[in-house]
Order: sequence, then C-alpha cells, then structure tokens
Amino acid sequence: DQQVKQNSPSLSVQEGRISILNCDYTNSMFDYFLWYKKYPAEGPTFLISISSIKDKNEDGRFTVFLNKSAKHLSLHIVPSQPGDSAVYFCAAIQGGSEKLVFGKGTKLTVNP
Amino acid sequence: DAGITQSPRHKVTETGTPVTLRCHQTENHRYMYWYRQDPGHGLRLIHYSYGVKDTDKGEVSDGYSVSRSKTEDFLLTLESATSSQTSVYFCAISELGVQGGNQPQHFGDGTRLSIL
Repeated sequence: DQQVKQNSPSLSVQEGRISILNCDYTNSMFDYFLWYKKYPAEGPTFLISISSIKDKNEDGRFTVFLNKSAKHLSLHIVPSQPGDSAVYFCAAIQGGSEKLVFGKGTKLTVNP
Repeated sequence: DAGITQSPRHKVTETGTPVTLRCHQTENHRYMYWYRQDPGHGLRLIHYSYGVKDTDKGEVSDGYSVSRSKTEDFLLTLESATSSQTSVYFCAISELGVQGGNQPQHFGDGTRLSIL
C-alpha cells in the first residue's frame, strides 16, 4: 500500500516556464515532507522540505506547498531551467522517526 | 560533496552467495541509512543506524542484515542473495537525522548489484 504517491511518471515543460510536481499521501501521521532531485548515476540530493505546521516554504526558485486537509503537496520551480531536468522524489516522515517514505518519482524534462 | 564512499560501485554475483556492501563516511555523522531503488518503487529504506552498534529495521529489511562497528562504516549484508535483491543500493548519512537541520541526508552515488 503506497503511502506516498506521485501519480505523474513524467512531466515536460519549456525553459523559463513553471514546473509543478505533485505528491499525495495517505498517512495522516506524516508531519514532515521533503523533495529530492536525482540525476542518472548519482545519489539523490535534498532540495527543500516543509513541516506540517506550515503551508508554504520557499528557497530561491523552489517553493513547496502543503495542503494538509487534501493530503497533497506540490513543488513549484520558477523559472524552469534545462539543468532542472532530473527525477524528483517526494518523501514523508512521522515525527520522531527516521523511516523516510518515498514516492516513485516524477521525471522532469525542461526543454530549451 | 559530503564524504560518502560506497563500495563496490558495481557487482555481479550468483544466487545463494553472500554479498556485503560497504558505506564509508568521513563526516563523523551519527546517522547512516541503506536504501534500495527499483523501477516502479522509488527508494525504500532497508536499515538505518543511529550510532555505533545501534541499528533499526526499515521498510524492506527481510533478507538483509547490517553492522556498524565504528562511526565511519555501515555494512549491508545479503546472507544468501536472491534475484529479487537485484537493485541499486544507496547509502545516506545525516548529522542530526532526517528532521534535523537544513540538510537532512547526503546520499552516496550508489552500488549497482546484479544477482543472476
């Protein structure tokens, strides 16, 4: 039973436009959410996180939005750049735990 | 880059053989983790360690054991490898744990393991 779902396996956007990656979760005990980016043949790298006490967190071109009532979060990348082309993983965790649960990932392609 | 080294980077072995993967860190971080990544599954936690000799199971721990006898090394062992354990294995480290600080985890570049 998937607790973290990324229903879009892939997304293609034009350079300079906004990329929106979505993530849904089913476990209401999750209270901390993270996004990771992964290039081929490399390990994932941390992008941005958000606590359940917030509904938005921003870091440069990256913004994460959390809608707890809908159990939904999204990652916005503005403006998108070709170097953003990668697989993006959404992940979630319960307070006090170290057991991070990942979604299956969304492959983002940013076209020049 | 965080000092994480996974070895070997690639390995091909046969069903039934024992396999040990090594994760070595130079950051003196308390937490270390082993994940596997498979198509259609994202990353799944196998085991993690919260200190020397302190380990706990993750989501997919069956068939795997771990050991951490010193801060810098976290070993993952497949006692009798099966084809279902063919995967890419990632080690990660964290100073304060996933929910601590601004850099929850740093990942190594992975070990590609094929079991025939």
